[in-house]
Amino acid sequence: DVKVTQSSRYLVKRTGEKVFLECVQDMDHENMFWYRQDPGLGLRLIYFSYDVKMKEKGDIPEGYSVSREKKERFSLILESASTNQTSMYLCASSLAPGAGGTRETQYFGPGTRLLVL
Amino acid sequence: QQQVKQSPQSLIVQKGGISIINCAYENTAFDYFPWYQQFPGKGPALLIAIRPDVSEKKEGRFTISFNKSAKQFSLHIMDSQPGDSATYFCAASITGTASKLTFGTGTRLQVTL
Repeated sequence: DVKVTQSSRYLVKRTGEKVFLECVQDMDHENMFWYRQDPGLGLRLIYFSYDVKMKEKGDIPEGYSVSREKKERFSLILESASTNQTSMYLCASSLAPGAGGTRETQYFGPGTRLLVL
Repeated sequence: QQQVKQSPQSLIVQKGGISIINCAYENTAFDYFPWYQQFPGKGPALLIAIRPDVSEKKEGRFTISFNKSAKQFSLHIMDSQPGDSATYFCAASITGTASKLTFGTGTRLQVTL
């Protein structure tokens, strides 16, 4: 079974703090993703990475950065946390793109609920 | 810009009934349409998916109906059970784009006894 783990289930941080959210997958997947989930807005893509040291902006990258130094690990960084970044953060991974089958399936971690005070 | 619109936002269905969730998309380049199911405290998990070369796909009690001309697709849950109570997300992607998904806003389904 594919396993995606996130370093924390719950985090409470202060405004202005630097926050690191860590994600690790154990299935040698090329692609990794960070989403935030907010009620009524669904899942919105923050950043994704299709290879080590490669990253691309998603739909809402402002205020975030990412790091992928190893294939299995993808980190989301909030350089200076703000209250509007209070949210559920979900990490996911998938195989490299290809036609058909389950290569597009994204496997999600359990999420990190971040509260910024 | 909401490229995948999902409705309803919430749905209450009696046990044994049919649950129907609808999605509409704008980008005609989308060619992969999965549905994800999320239980409280868990991340979403793939439930069923369809490509536009077929109009329907069925897996057990779950069926996707796809209407390419209308740019719409829907999830039908037959004989709904309390264990189906979850949040459902439709999504769409373009094959080859690093499997980048565009998600709908989600439907919270409650199946009552």
